[in-house]
Parts: sequence; C-alpha cells; structure tokens
Amino acid sequence: DAGVTQSPTHLIKTRGQHVTLRCSPISGHKSVSWYQQVLGQGPQFIFQYYEKEERGRGNFPDRFSARQFPNYSSELNVNALLLGDSALYLCASSLDSGNIPYEQYFGPGTRLTVT
Amino acid sequence: LAKTTQPISMDSYEGQEVNITCSHNNIATNDYITWYQQFPSQGPRFIIQGYKTKVTNEVASLFIPADRKSSTLSLPRVSLSDTAVYYCLVGPPLDSNYQLIWGAGTKLIIKP
Repeated sequence: DAGVTQSPTHLIKTRGQHVTLRCSPISGHKSVSWYQQVLGQGPQFIFQYYEKEERGRGNFPDRFSARQFPNYSSELNVNALLLGDSALYLCASSLDSGNIPYEQYFGPGTRLTVT
Repeated sequence: LAKTTQPISMDSYEGQEVNITCSHNNIATNDYITWYQQFPSQGPRFIIQGYKTKVTNEVASLFIPADRKSSTLSLPRVSLSDTAVYYCLVGPPLDSNYQLIWGAGTKLIIKP
C-alpha cells in the first residue's frame, strides 16, 4: 500500500515568493494535518483538515493557508515567503477517531529553502 | 495544555533495554499518551499509544502509572537502527479541535 506522499521533495524559493506544497494521504484516510519542522526542533502544528473542512489551526500567520480536496489530498500554501519559513514541511494523514486516536502516518516531507 | 518533559538525549548499547521517561504532570482526563520515532530527514513514525496501565506491541511497551503523570517508553534489546529522536505527546483524540504540542524529543544514540 502506498504511504503518504508529498511533492515536491525539495524546493528553493526567494523571499517574497509564494509556494504550494502537496500531499496525498493514505487511501481511506480522511484527515490530513500539516506541520513545520525546523532543524533540531519537534514538528509544529499548522493545520488539520477533515472531510475538506479545517478542524484545527496552529499559531501561524495568515500567510499560511491550506485546503483539502474531495479526494482528501491537500495543499499548503505560503505567501510572501520569509527566510524563517525555511523548514521541513510534513504532512500526516489519519483515519481520524477510532481505536488509536492519535495514530498519524507522516509523509517524507518537503524541504523548503528560502533565500 | 498538557506539557511534556523528557530527557534531551540518552545513550545506550546494542542489545540493551532502553527506557525513556516522559513527565506530564497536568495531563487531562481525556488525554492519551503517544510516542513517535523520527529518523533524520524523515517524517515521524507512530510507535505506541496508551491511556493507562501497560500497552505492548511488536516494537515497544508503554508503562503508565495510576496517576498518569508520567509514562515510560521501553524499547527491548535495541539495535543501532534504533538511533533516532523519540517524541512523547499528550492530548485528547484527534477528532477534537486540539493541536498536539511537540517538544524537542529525546535523541537516543545506540552504540555498538
């Protein structure tokens, strides 16, 4: 079975530009979460989507937005990039509630470098 | 918000049992305890989750005392490939409007 996939793998952008990151969840998973991970730190929660609706939002500026499509894939958009946005962006999917309410499956991440 | 405290780093040797303890003094009634493992440049991987007492799977065991203010992840007979960062997370089920807070984790280094 295919795991969570993310694209692109690596990306280099210039300050002020816009970026779109994409995520495909595991088949059957309806919940997708996005995280930002800076080197040496744990992942920071950005968004969670379930059934195409935003269910949670972390402490990130409005430059960050996301959406989930009818096939449950998701996009994370970041506008007006800053140097501090350089990080590994992780997508995680889950079955939502169930016997193991916090079992999330993470993708390999997208490494974003802002210069 | 239930905050967790775990050691920044630990060393051990191949074949040993490793126990990583996490403190979560203000854990709430509906909070679960979840552990993830992360290798460099990869996404975290779910290891185990529990609510109380002891949980065991093919990879690890999770010990939770009656007061639930701490938990211990036990990795039996570790190998070099267990070198990774381990995160302890505490929070209510994902279907609630709540965000998990990830700390810096415990960097576990296994030596030959």
